[in-house]
Amino acid sequence: ETGVTQSPTHLIKTRGQQVTLRCSSQSGHNTVSWYQQALGQGPQFIFQYYREEENGRGNFPPRFSGLQFPNYSSELNVNALELDDSALYLCASSLGRGLGENIQYFGAGTRLSVL
Amino acid sequence: GQQVMQIPQYQHVQEGEDFTTYCNSSTTLSNIQWYKQRPGGHPVFLIQLVKSGEVKKQKRLTFQFGEAKKNSSLHITATQTTDVGTYFCAGPLYNFNKFYFGSGTKLNVKP
Repeated sequence: ETGVTQSPTHLIKTRGQQVTLRCSSQSGHNTVSWYQQALGQGPQFIFQYYREEENGRGNFPPRFSGLQFPNYSSELNVNALELDDSALYLCASSLGRGLGENIQYFGAGTRLSVL
Repeated sequence: GQQVMQIPQYQHVQEGEDFTTYCNSSTTLSNIQWYKQRPGGHPVFLIQLVKSGEVKKQKRLTFQFGEAKKNSSLHITATQTTDVGTYFCAGPLYNFNKFYFGSGTKLNVKP
């Protein structure tokens, strides 16, 4: 086990709604990254938070936003849900951002279905 | 934009046969990591390669990082049914603010 926990495990929403996904990092990790994994594809980088600041962002629109808290837990918020947002959302924590520290430890993910 | 492609997309082998997946990045990576995702599971870290031309072995698995740090390979000798899963290469850009995963190679091993 990686020590990274995500909640909820499954979620069903309708188009236009908003959703918040949560992640608890592994102890001692100050960096968290969020990924979207569509069926049969590789994880797509959404963004990364380092010490409560957004540190990098992939090609996702602003309706995907996040937070990292002082205890390094994190949230992913998605507004105005679209059908294409249906996917497995993975949170990964790492020791840090730099070389030797950026190994990604993944949680089990949240399966989001948008109807 | 940045792309990390893997080939083949799928590979079906008989148990005992060898398997290789290739990873190619459109830009230079500072380091490359390999992950395995079992069906229904989440990616699990296997190994990290940092130096140009680096080769590392883990039992039946051999990992290579290309000289230009834009490609990598994973070779499994004498596959077993426990090797079933999807193998991803991944790596950050040099400023470490984005992390890219490859498209993955799904391995199926027939007993």
